[in-house]
Amino acid sequence: KAGVTQTPRYLIKTRGQQVTLSCSPISGHRSVSWYQQTPGQGLQFLFEYFSETQRNKGNFPGRFSGRQFSNSRSEMNVSTLELGDSALYLCASSLAVGGTDTQYFGPGTRLTVL
Amino acid sequence: AQSVTQLDSQVPVFEEAPVELRCNYSSSVSVYLFWYVQYPNQGLQLLLKYLSGSTLVKGINGFEAEFNKSQTSFHLRKPSVHISDTAEYFCAVRRDSSYKLIFGSGTRLLVRP
Repeated sequence: KAGVTQTPRYLIKTRGQQVTLSCSPISGHRSVSWYQQTPGQGLQFLFEYFSETQRNKGNFPGRFSGRQFSNSRSEMNVSTLELGDSALYLCASSLAVGGTDTQYFGPGTRLTVL
Repeated sequence: AQSVTQLDSQVPVFEEAPVELRCNYSSSVSVYLFWYVQYPNQGLQLLLKYLSGSTLVKGINGFEAEFNKSQTSFHLRKPSVHISDTAEYFCAVRRDSSYKLIFGSGTRLLVRP
């Protein structure tokens, strides 16, 4: 079974631009979560989607948004990029059958904002 | 609110020596506990998890962890490390009915020959 895939793997953008990152979960998984990883702040939860609905949201500004499609694939968007948005963005998927689910992570998208 | 503390930012150890990576958590509710490993330029891989039951949990690559409720700890151990274990290790907690993982700041394990 294929793992979680994220595209693109690397991105370079300039301040003020916007970016869209994509995540394809493991087949059959219905929950997708997004995390931001930076050297200064570590791993921080962005949001979680299940059945096309956002169920949880972390403490990030409204420039960070996401969505989930009917096939469970998810995208996250960052508008008006700032230098501090440079990070590794990780996506995780799970079956979402209960609280004991395991979350499986993708390889991440490394975003560099110049 | 939950929080996770990994007391050591870096742990150097010689190959074939034992290692313990420490993790303490705080939570007013019951939580699930996880250890993930991250190799350079990769995502996170689950090493092991504690959901309920036996407090000694065995994971992949010879790692194990012990859940101690009274000390709110979930330390990771391996009796004999290899060079290939060099990586960053993250402890995380999650509440039941939530998919939000709260991570510690990570411990870099550096295995020397």
